[in-house]
Amino acid sequence: NAGVTQTPKFQVLKTGQSMTLQCAQDMNHNSMYWYRQDPGMGLRLIYYSASEGTTDKGEVPNGYNVSRLNKREFSLRLESAAPSQTSVYFCASSEQGAGLNTEAFFGQGTRLTVV
Amino acid sequence: DQQVKQNSPSLSVQEGRISILNCDYTNSMFDYFLWYKKYPAEGPTFLISISSIKDKNEDGRFTVFLNKSAKHLSLHIVPSQPGDSAVYFCAASAWYDMRFGAGTRLTVKP
Repeated sequence: NAGVTQTPKFQVLKTGQSMTLQCAQDMNHNSMYWYRQDPGMGLRLIYYSASEGTTDKGEVPNGYNVSRLNKREFSLRLESAAPSQTSVYFCASSEQGAGLNTEAFFGQGTRLTVV
Repeated sequence: DQQVKQNSPSLSVQEGRISILNCDYTNSMFDYFLWYKKYPAEGPTFLISISSIKDKNEDGRFTVFLNKSAKHLSLHIVPSQPGDSAVYFCAASAWYDMRFGAGTRLTVKP
């Protein structure tokens, strides 16, 4: 049982380049999330998808777009990468909303460096 | 604004003793609280949670306490083991919005 799988694990981008981070879960969860982790800041919510076909902004959505491709997959796109987007990105999924008494399961993360 | 705060970046305890990790939050709308544990180069893993209608939840060596009036929660680990050494994140959620603290690095010395 793979759980939540993120690709790639590492990526270096030049400023202005674009890329898509992929995330897939095999737990048949309804909700999926993208977080970024920066030193001293904890994890901050970028976007979430409460269910297939819906997406909503989180705490720090600027500079990102998302697509809930199907129930399993939720991708995060950086259209024009900036050094401020250097971070570790985590995808997560949960059966329903985390505020609905259910925990989220996280992938192993993607370490992104923008130079 | 940081709605969930963990004011102690690090904590060191002896094996067998109690570890107490603290967390404060500011948003009264939060109604579900969680603790996650994170090892280097891995994603956070769920440890224990508590609903806002409770003030205590236990799971083996781990107990979470919630004081709603003080907007404070804590995680107690008894007894602490070297394998507990990790970064612990407190999280608070309302609906789909889950906010995290900055984490506390726990070191349990043999």
